Amino acid sequence: QSALTQPASVSGSPGQSITISCTGTSSDVGAYNYVSWYQQHPGKAPKVIIYDVSNRPSGVSDRFSGSKSGNTASLTISGLQAEDEADYYCSSYTTTATGVFGGGTEVTVL
Amino acid sequence: EVQLVVSGGDLVQPGGSLTLSCAASGFSLSGSTIHWVRQASGKGLEWVGRVRSKAYSYATAYSGAVKGRFTISRDDSRNTGYLRMDSLEIEDTALYYCTRVPVPNSWRFDPWGQGTLVTVSS
Repeated sequence: QSALTQPASVSGSPGQSITISCTGTSSDVGAYNYVSWYQQHPGKAPKVIIYDVSNRPSGVSDRFSGSKSGNTASLTISGLQAEDEADYYCSSYTTTATGVFGGGTEVTVL
Repeated sequence: EVQLVVSGGDLVQPGGSLTLSCAASGFSLSGSTIHWVRQASGKGLEWVGRVRSKAYSYATAYSGAVKGRFTISRDDSRNTGYLRMDSLEIEDTALYYCTRVPVPNSWRFDPWGQGTLVTVSS
């Protein structure tokens, strides 16, 4: 199972919106609505921010939103804030009942 | 407080074995699927494997990188999951996290343990 493809880095100014893509195949991202996104600050464990493509856990800012089209999922961060600077990972369930992560995207707030 | 506490990380020689533990507090792991995820220093997250609940016959699955060498198990009476690692390779050096998917028909790893460091070196 190959890792999902994410851009290595994305940047934006405070207040702007950015979108991170996560491209897989018909055996993972495209197969089910089981895609989640994780935020990881340096030295910390990952934290779920989106699950099942577009659902937000309680307590997660509504500035985070998710979507999917075909084999590509996307995470959008609106109203970018300094605290959003972190690494972001997508993950998908697969048709072989395993899991897979993307390579990660470093978000920089300019 | 709902948390997972991971322990057992150590320095081990290539070819050696190690068992990690993942203890839940503040909630019951029994209905959840327990997953293990690792992260080499400066690298991304890598899914290692999982064990489902009793309702799903404790079914396991592994990544190709560890299949045949790692074994995931659980003891619901101790509210704990385990990752047994055999035939360790230098490439297995990483911070190992445990996490869970709380309900079936969903893909949400929450919460995550703090991670435990496994170093494979001679």
